[in-house]
Amino acid sequence: AQSVAQPEDQVNVAEGNPLTVKCTYSVSGNPYLFWYVQYPNRGLQFLLKYITGDNLVKGSYGFEAEFNKSQTSFHLKKPSALVSDSALYFCAVRDAPVDSNYQLIWGAGTKLIIKP
Amino acid sequence: DAGVIQSPRHEVTEMGQEVTLRCKPISGHNSLFWYRQTMMRGLELLIYFNNNVPIDDSGMPEDRFSAKMPNASFSTLKIQPSEPRDSAVYFCASSTGTGLNEKLFFGSGTQLSVL
Repeated sequence: AQSVAQPEDQVNVAEGNPLTVKCTYSVSGNPYLFWYVQYPNRGLQFLLKYITGDNLVKGSYGFEAEFNKSQTSFHLKKPSALVSDSALYFCAVRDAPVDSNYQLIWGAGTKLIIKP
Repeated sequence: DAGVIQSPRHEVTEMGQEVTLRCKPISGHNSLFWYRQTMMRGLELLIYFNNNVPIDDSGMPEDRFSAKMPNASFSTLKIQPSEPRDSAVYFCASSTGTGLNEKLFFGSGTQLSVL
């Protein structure tokens, strides 16, 4: 069965420091992996995805994520955090397309707080 | 493009009343998803349409919930009768293609409170 885990409910980082939001997954085949961000009272916004190819994926707002197959991880990173990065971050995974498999499996979300 | 448009933004109703949530996907997108978000259960997929056809409605909680997509530019999610446990934020999202590996574009959601 597919699953995704975001082990941290909240991550606190000082502005200017690097940040990491963790995500691990479990699928039976090859994963399709996504990161989304949700600002207060807004819908989710796509940040980046890994389908195939280079393990390091670059996305919006200076974020990147590294696909690690051996550790089944897809951690979100940014070299220098901004206060405006404070939001709720969701990791999602889907097994490589199977005819009857339409569901993205979502993590519980990690609240990222960037302190000035 | 205005993005995915949902209405109303907020809905407060009494238990037993019918509630209709509306969604206008991005023009040209042919996949549409209805999600429900709560603190307890996180994000749950309710139903998925592709080319206006319901493909997967296994997430619809019970018969009180129904969804339609009469054309490519409009979808509704109806709850009848509503119950307090239906209180949540309901999101509509759309994407190009099948939506399997394309990014989703979310609306701003409808905050539903059932008293």
